[in-house]
Amino acid sequence: AAGVIQSPRHLIKEKRETATLKCYPIPRHDTVYWYQQGPGQDPQFLISFYEKMQSDKGSIPDRFSAQQFSDYHSELNMSSLELGDSALYFCASSSRQVANPEAFFGQGTRLTVV
Amino acid sequence: DAKTTQPTSMDCAEGRAANLPCNHSTISGNEYVYWYRQIHSQGPQYIIHGLKNNETNEMASLIITEDRKSSTLILPHATLRDTAVYYCIVTLTQGGSEKLVFGKGTKLTVNP
Repeated sequence: AAGVIQSPRHLIKEKRETATLKCYPIPRHDTVYWYQQGPGQDPQFLISFYEKMQSDKGSIPDRFSAQQFSDYHSELNMSSLELGDSALYFCASSSRQVANPEAFFGQGTRLTVV
Repeated sequence: DAKTTQPTSMDCAEGRAANLPCNHSTISGNEYVYWYRQIHSQGPQYIIHGLKNNETNEMASLIITEDRKSSTLILPHATLRDTAVYYCIVTLTQGGSEKLVFGKGTKLTVNP
């Protein structure tokens, strides 16, 4: 079965650079969530989208932005990167058409800022 | 903020049942209990969820107390591959709109 696809799997950037992370949800899933997981930390919710509209917002820095496109894929844009942005970034998807659905997570993008 | 409390770590012998407790004393009537696990640096994996009845699937069983203030995830025959951090999450799932708020989780180590 198709899973959540994230790209790239690994990314190395320098401080003050920008990065774009991509997420392709499971087909027919209409909701996408982004999470950040720092070293030794638990996943922290950043932002979510439903039907291309932002549906919830967590502890996402102002330097980050995200959107969901018409094909339901989502991109997380990160600017003015800082060393502290080094983390695993997970995307998850789910469907509002299912009662009490579970969210499926991708394998993550490991961002290293040097 | 996470609404659950779990032990920091637990050990289990391979082949034995692993029972992972979770306290969620402030759970409201329409909130569900979800369990996810994360194997080292992989994406969290859904295990099971429930509202008030006990649930079972091919991975695990979920036992929820009658007052719904606590629950236990049971892995009936733990294997080495079950070593992971297990997260108990309470969430309102009206049409899948609610985000998952991860707490500290329990690091389960299955020993040979």
